Parts: sequence; structure tokens; C-alpha cells
Amino acid sequence: DVKVTQSSRYLVKRTGEKVFLECVQDMDHENMFWYRQDPGLGLRLIYFSYDVKMKEKGDIPEGYSVSREKKERFSLILESASTNQTSMYLCASSLLSGSGDEQYFGPGTRLTVT
Amino acid sequence: GQNIDQPTEMTATEGAIVQINCTYQTSGFNGLFWYQQHAGEAPTFLSYNVLDGLEEKGRFSSFLSRSKGYSYLLLKELQMKDSASYLCASSEAGNKLTFGGGTRVLVKP
Repeated sequence: DVKVTQSSRYLVKRTGEKVFLECVQDMDHENMFWYRQDPGLGLRLIYFSYDVKMKEKGDIPEGYSVSREKKERFSLILESASTNQTSMYLCASSLLSGSGDEQYFGPGTRLTVT
Repeated sequence: GQNIDQPTEMTATEGAIVQINCTYQTSGFNGLFWYQQHAGEAPTFLSYNVLDGLEEKGRFSSFLSRSKGYSYLLLKELQMKDSASYLCASSEAGNKLTFGGGTRVLVKP
């Protein structure tokens, strides 16, 4: 069974803080993704990575950065958290970058920025 | 750009059938995914269509028409546990997904 875990289920941070969200997958997947999910907007892709030390911008990368130093771990960084980054953050992984490869999602981190 | 449309909410009775439509306008289209997401949980994979036609998996079926930019998810013999959000997502090269806003299905007894 593929398992994708995220470091926290709930997180409260203050405006201007640097925030790290961690994601780990245990199935040797090549690809990892970070999304945010907001009511009515669905899941929106922030960043993704096809390999260690590689990263690609998604649809809404502004205000975020990522790090992938090891294959199993993909970190999302909010350099200076703002209230409009309050959201549910979901990490996902897939085995390969083929178009039909299922993405496996973690349980999500609900981040509140006050 | 990418644009995925699906209804916001649908209600149906236990034992009935519900069809969730999804229309898409995407560049570099490489297939259509459906995911199920129960409240407070992670999305889980239901189906993937890359060719035109109907794919059946037990009580769930998914249809794709590439020429019309249209897909639907059909849920048969609805059960209470099917109450969830259903997410339509188009795939492009590199397994990059673009999601619709999700359709919340409420199954009533």
C-alpha cells in the first residue's frame, strides 16, 4: 500500500512567519506534487517535482518555494506567510510521469495564517 | 489555459443512479481522471479515461468524449457511503493534473 504522510494535520502560523510543510512517500515514487484546496476552486497545483533536486512551477507558485533533497521527501515552504495562504494543503506522489499514472494523496495539512 | 467545469452539488436517493458531468477545455489533453474525496480525507483514485467510450468498474462507470471535451461519472445503486465530493481532473504531459471545483454528492435515505 502506498503511503503519503504529511507532517501536520493542523497548523496555525502568524503573518510573516516562514512555514515548512513536509511530505514523505514510502513507495519510491518519482513524482511529487503540492496542491492547495479551497472551497469552490478545487485543487490547484503549486509546484511539482520529477526527480531529486528538480522542481517545476505549477499554476499558482507565487509566495511558495519547494525543496526535494531526497526522493521520498518533498517540502513546501511559505517564505513569509500571509492570510491569503490560509488553506488546505495536499501533497501527492505518482510512480512515473506518464499521463495515466494515478496520484496518491496525503491526508492534508489545514494551515491557518492569522 | 485550462478550464474544467462540473456541477457544485447533487442530491440523490439511496439505491438510485447519479451522473456527474464534467466539461473541459485544456491544451495538451492526455486523459481524464475522477477522484473521490470524503469530507476531511484525501482524494482517492476512481478512474482514468484516455480513449473515447465507457469504462465500467463495479458500481462506478466513467465516460469520455474527446471530440466534445466531455466526461461523466456514473454512480449506480447509490449507497450512503457514496456521499462525498467527486473531482474531475484533466491530465497533460508529465502527469500534471488540472482539477475542477468538485461535485458534492449527498445521498439521502
